[in-house]
Amino acid sequence: DGGITQSPKYLFRKEGQNVTLSCEQNLNHDAMYWYRQDPGQGLRLIYYSQIVNDFQKGDIAEGYSVSREKKESFPLTVTSAQKNPTAFYLCASSISPVRGLEAFFGQGTRLTVV
Amino acid sequence: AQKITQTQPGMFVQEKEAVTLDCTYDTSDPSYGLFWYKQPSSGEMIFLIYQGSYDQQNATEGRYSLNFQKARKSANLVISASQLGDSAMYFCAMRDRGFQKLVFGTGTRLLVSP
Repeated sequence: DGGITQSPKYLFRKEGQNVTLSCEQNLNHDAMYWYRQDPGQGLRLIYYSQIVNDFQKGDIAEGYSVSREKKESFPLTVTSAQKNPTAFYLCASSISPVRGLEAFFGQGTRLTVV
Repeated sequence: AQKITQTQPGMFVQEKEAVTLDCTYDTSDPSYGLFWYKQPSSGEMIFLIYQGSYDQQNATEGRYSLNFQKARKSANLVISASQLGDSAMYFCAMRDRGFQKLVFGTGTRLLVSP
């Protein structure tokens, strides 16, 4: 079945550590996105990528980094520079960013700083 | 800049009744797309319905319909014959051609009671 897989589902990070959230899609989609969701709030865009080896900052990119070496993979690294990383992270993809088609989402990763 | 506003933090409805969830948007691009997503407590984002800015008719998908009023810049979601399984967070989102990213509102929590 085609879809988007995020792993792990739950992640715990110690203060000062970098952690990487995985996002893989087998939908052959060009565009991929990372969103952050805080309790009771909407989704805020962290980074997005329209093609391989290219990505752009979203609204809250500080303290995060991404790579897009393969079409199907868009990992997100939460660095120690991100002061409040505890949140729910959602990865999404869409066929093409310019055709106005819907984005498909993964199941999310819940990150907690301990 | 594009912006989505959802003014209803929570809505209550009885089973089998219809409910309208409000969404207003702002964009300077004449070409844009509007989306509604459902987020159950499990966290996944489920695509419900899409409306393009040039679509002449309001979109419908089963029990979901979108009341699109372009002049008012509103795109309200109507759920007919509510079911207990409709209890969830609902997000309105927009993509315009210029920004090529999906921007979300803060969401409305819908609770369907027996």
